[in-house]
Amino acid sequence: DGGITQSPKYLFRKEGQNVTLSCEQNLNHDAMYWYRQDPGQGLRLIYYSQIVNDFQKGDIAEGYSVSREKKESFPLTVTSAQKNPTAFYLCASSPTGSVIETQYFGPGTRLLVL
Amino acid sequence: AQSVTQPDIHITVSEGASLELRCNYSYGATPYLFWYVQSPGQGLQLLLKYFSGDTLVQGIKGFEAEFKRSQSSFNLRKPSVHWSDAAEYFCAVGRISGGSYIPTFGRGTSLIVHP
Repeated sequence: DGGITQSPKYLFRKEGQNVTLSCEQNLNHDAMYWYRQDPGQGLRLIYYSQIVNDFQKGDIAEGYSVSREKKESFPLTVTSAQKNPTAFYLCASSPTGSVIETQYFGPGTRLLVL
Repeated sequence: AQSVTQPDIHITVSEGASLELRCNYSYGATPYLFWYVQSPGQGLQLLLKYFSGDTLVQGIKGFEAEFKRSQSSFNLRKPSVHWSDAAEYFCAVGRISGGSYIPTFGRGTSLIVHP
């Protein structure tokens, strides 16, 4: 089945630690996105990528980093510079990144700080 | 700047009753509008989208939405709600920035369905 997988489902981070969230898609989509979801705030865009080896900052990129070395993979690293990382993180993809396209979402990763 | 407002944080309806979820947007050009649904602990699923043409858009699961330019609104409706419709609903507007598509989501409306 085609889709987007995110792992792990739950992730715990200690103070000062970097953690990486995985996002893989087998939909052959060019564009991929990372969102952060906090209660009552909806989804906020962290980073997006429309092609391999290229990515752009979204609205809340500070404290995060990404890479896009392969078309199917778009991992997100939450660095120690992100002072409030506890949130639900959603990865999405779309065929080309055109504004008229549907975005397809993964099941999410919940990050908790110990 | 583009923005989306969902004025209702929670909506409670009885099963079988009609539903309307409100969405207002702020966007200078012709907006590209979407409604997504999220079940607890899950990702989002597209219900419907509007780009142009007929202002009444039909979606999946019996949902529809009407684009009203004069009111800057894109409200979601369903004539008869089922218990399985209980979820979080997000309105979104697609904007173009530097040649890329940047979606802006509202904060969401939580739908509670009473039996």
